[in-house]
Amino acid sequence: TQLLEQSPQFLSIQEGENLTVYCNSSSVFSSLQWYRQEPGEGPVLLVTVVTGGEVKKLKRLTFQFGDARKDSSLHITAAQPGDTGLYLCAGGRNQGGKLIFGQGTELSVKP
Amino acid sequence: DTGVSQNPRHKITKRGQNVTFRCDPISEHNRLYWYRQTLGQGPEFLTYFQNEAQLEKSRLLSDRFSAERPKGSFSTLEIQRTEQGDSAMYLCASSTLDYGYTFGSGTRLTVV
Repeated sequence: TQLLEQSPQFLSIQEGENLTVYCNSSSVFSSLQWYRQEPGEGPVLLVTVVTGGEVKKLKRLTFQFGDARKDSSLHITAAQPGDTGLYLCAGGRNQGGKLIFGQGTELSVKP
Repeated sequence: DTGVSQNPRHKITKRGQNVTFRCDPISEHNRLYWYRQTLGQGPEFLTYFQNEAQLEKSRLLSDRFSAERPKGSFSTLEIQRTEQGDSAMYLCASSTLDYGYTFGSGTRLTVV
């Protein structure tokens, strides 16, 4: 059973387009993190959200934590080829404890 | 500090052999985590340590897997009697008592 469901699993778009990736769960998390992973490397942390309804912006990336702390979204504006990679959401139930990862969204941005 | 270091980066072993991986975390991080990732999936939790104490171990982890962090610094993950299903990327991460992990580049294990 996948506790965190990401959608879509695959996304192929042209440079300059906008996109949104969703991360949904029936469980409540105390924190939700987003990571980006390139082939053959470990995931790199992009952002952590901890408050229901919280919105964080990182340049062209906007992250939102749902009011009930069960879901999250990642929106990328004007995607660039350098955004290509595997995007992972991960939920935590206590500070410093284990994370539960979604299965990932494979993004390909074509020039 | 250059981040979380994992060795080796790649390991090919024959079925039935034992393998050991090493992880050197960021020095001021007291928490260390091991995850396993197969192709097309997100990382799956294996175990984690606070200093030298192993605080949690996944129920999915068979008794062929053991992890240690003897002095609260580096950690080793050993897999005994490897099986083809053990082929995966083994990821180590470290953190302080906040929300963000720093991952290493992983060890890719291939069991033939």
